[in-house]
Amino acid sequence: GAVVSQHPSRVICKSGTSVKIECRSLDFQATTMFWYRQFPKQSLMLMATSNEGSKATYEQGVEKDKFLINHASLTLSTLTVTSAHPEDSSFYICSALLPGGRRYNEQFFGPGTRLTVL
Amino acid sequence: AQTVTQSQPEMSVQEAETVTLSCTYDTSESDYYLFWYKQPPSRQMILVIRQEAYKQQNATENRFSVNFQKAAKSFSLKISDSQLGDAAMYFCAYIVPRNAGNMLTFGGGTRLMVKP
Repeated sequence: GAVVSQHPSRVICKSGTSVKIECRSLDFQATTMFWYRQFPKQSLMLMATSNEGSKATYEQGVEKDKFLINHASLTLSTLTVTSAHPEDSSFYICSALLPGGRRYNEQFFGPGTRLTVL
Repeated sequence: AQTVTQSQPEMSVQEAETVTLSCTYDTSESDYYLFWYKQPPSRQMILVIRQEAYKQQNATENRFSVNFQKAAKSFSLKISDSQLGDAAMYFCAYIVPRNAGNMLTFGGGTRLMVKP
């Protein structure tokens, strides 16, 4: 199956700093990637849809200036948490959409990034 | 709005026994896909099984099978011969292909514990 990687797997930062998380599709090109946030013992919440070469589409309630998404290539999307605060501590998961113009295209998930803001 | 509901926050099963996880969904669409994802302690999301709404036959993948009741908007997962490695969070999810981006809507999850 298709492989999606995330880097870093864990990051600890000080309040007020910015953190960048990378999501890469390793063996396929993905024009669309998704970013999710997962709090402990809760489900995945979609934050935004990242489209290669265009602006990301953010879900209602997600601050686009705080969570900057850049999908600069067909294999890489980045999520930057700007001016991070303790409430931003969470597990961030990306997924990449397998392209192909089919009626349904499967999403493949990265292993996630645990962000802890002190 | 589309919603997915998993009414069982936690379930427990004895090793080698069978367990069924419940999922209901709410939609006005007629064309959609339903999924069960497994999230083990590693947190990696793994696709367990997929069901296309237009197919009447229930999907099966080895020890995993679904009971898809379209009229009742119910999509339960049956795990047979449960193994210790089946212990994980299980998420039911839904997608409408015609919608832009193929966005998944997830249920709240069910934590499955497997007793040796």
